Amino acid sequence: DSGVTQTPKHLITATGQRVTLRCSPRSGDLSVYWYQQSLDQGLQFLIQYYNGEERAKGNILERFSAQQFPDLHSELNLSSLELGDSALYFCASSVAGGEQFFGPGTRLTVL
Amino acid sequence: KNEVEQSPQNLTAQEGEFITINCSYSVGISALHWLQQHPGGGIVSLFMLSSGKKKHGRLIATINIQEKHSSLHITASHPRDSAVYICAVRVGGNQFYFGTGTSLTVIP
Repeated sequence: DSGVTQTPKHLITATGQRVTLRCSPRSGDLSVYWYQQSLDQGLQFLIQYYNGEERAKGNILERFSAQQFPDLHSELNLSSLELGDSALYFCASSVAGGEQFFGPGTRLTVL
Repeated sequence: KNEVEQSPQNLTAQEGEFITINCSYSVGISALHWLQQHPGGGIVSLFMLSSGKKKHGRLIATINIQEKHSSLHITASHPRDSAVYICAVRVGGNQFYFGTGTSLTVIP
């Protein structure tokens, strides 16, 4: 158990819908990272937050957004969902920029 | 063009064998990560390297910054080592690029 929690574990929804994925980092970790893992693209970095502020952006679509709250949990919002958004979404946390601890992931299926 | 290339893509070994997985990258990096992903999907960070060599149990990771190359070695491999091993590099402040992974199967 990495100490990072993600909810929900599974999510099935329809095209055009909007979903929110939640991540709680390990106690004491200030950085949260979001990643997408799909069968055709592998792992991709989406975005990083540090202590509530956006620190880095990767291949995150404009339909996606994220935030980190004062209690350090983070949410990834995916809107206008398309079939191609079906993937595993991982969050990870670290103290600052060090070793990352990964959550169990949320499996999103868009029908 | 992939910033990170791993080899081999697939690897089958007999229990007890010494295993090497290679990672080459084409960009300047601030750190390199080795990750392990089991069939259930969970990801575990094995190592974070910026220079030299690190060892944890039967796992050893090395990096050559000049050659832009890293290796992950597993000594005395065991069936429980069967997993996908992923190399990831951190570029600049906080961008990450991932290799496509090496799928390892260790046969008893």
